Amino acid sequence: EVQLVQSRAAVKKPGESLKISCRASGYNFNTYWIAWVRQMPGKGLECMGIIYPDDSDTRYGLSFQGQVTMSVDKSLSTAFLQWNSLKVSDTAIYYCVRQNMRNALENWGQGTVVAVSS
Amino acid sequence: DIQMTQSPSSLSASVGDKVVITCQASQDISIHLNWYQQKPGQAPRLLIYDVKTPETGVPSRFSGSGSGTHYTFTISSLQPEDVATYYCQQCDNLIGTFGQGTKLEIK
Repeated sequence: EVQLVQSRAAVKKPGESLKISCRASGYNFNTYWIAWVRQMPGKGLECMGIIYPDDSDTRYGLSFQGQVTMSVDKSLSTAFLQWNSLKVSDTAIYYCVRQNMRNALENWGQGTVVAVSS
Repeated sequence: DIQMTQSPSSLSASVGDKVVITCQASQDISIHLNWYQQKPGQAPRLLIYDVKTPETGVPSRFSGSGSGTHYTFTISSLQPEDVATYYCQQCDNLIGTFGQGTKLEIK
């Protein structure tokens, strides 16, 4: 069974750094794109970008380029999403998702709540 | 960027009704159109991919159709457990974009 298990909720202050994780199991982690999807409070879904674990090929959405960093650790079958300096506007639920061979977002993590407040 | 315009933004219908949601792409996206369901407090779930292919385990009352730039998602007979927000998504390029969502409620 494919599973994506994300790290717990985080409460941070503006300007702090954060790295959240997404541990995959049940499939060959290296050969499926992992997408990160943001959902701001009460809002819709936004695809932030995707990463291919085998070679760390990473594509960022225009709105997210330079704002976050995606990475993987193949030895841990884990993907990461990182901020160097959080803003209040980064408050959201972040989902990691396995993208299938048809580019559909097939398997979703449970989501990580990130709350940024002074 | 390819823009997705989804309508309506909200919808109220009775149990047993047929429900139709539409999605318009800003350019031709061929078959690269998916539909997701998000129930309150849950992660989204893939229902339909490649316009009309149901994901494993999806009830047959859910279906999709369309081509080019105009797509339709249909629930043939609305059930109480279908209360959710539904999103279309284009995946013509690697980074997909979503429609704004349709919040579906029971009348």
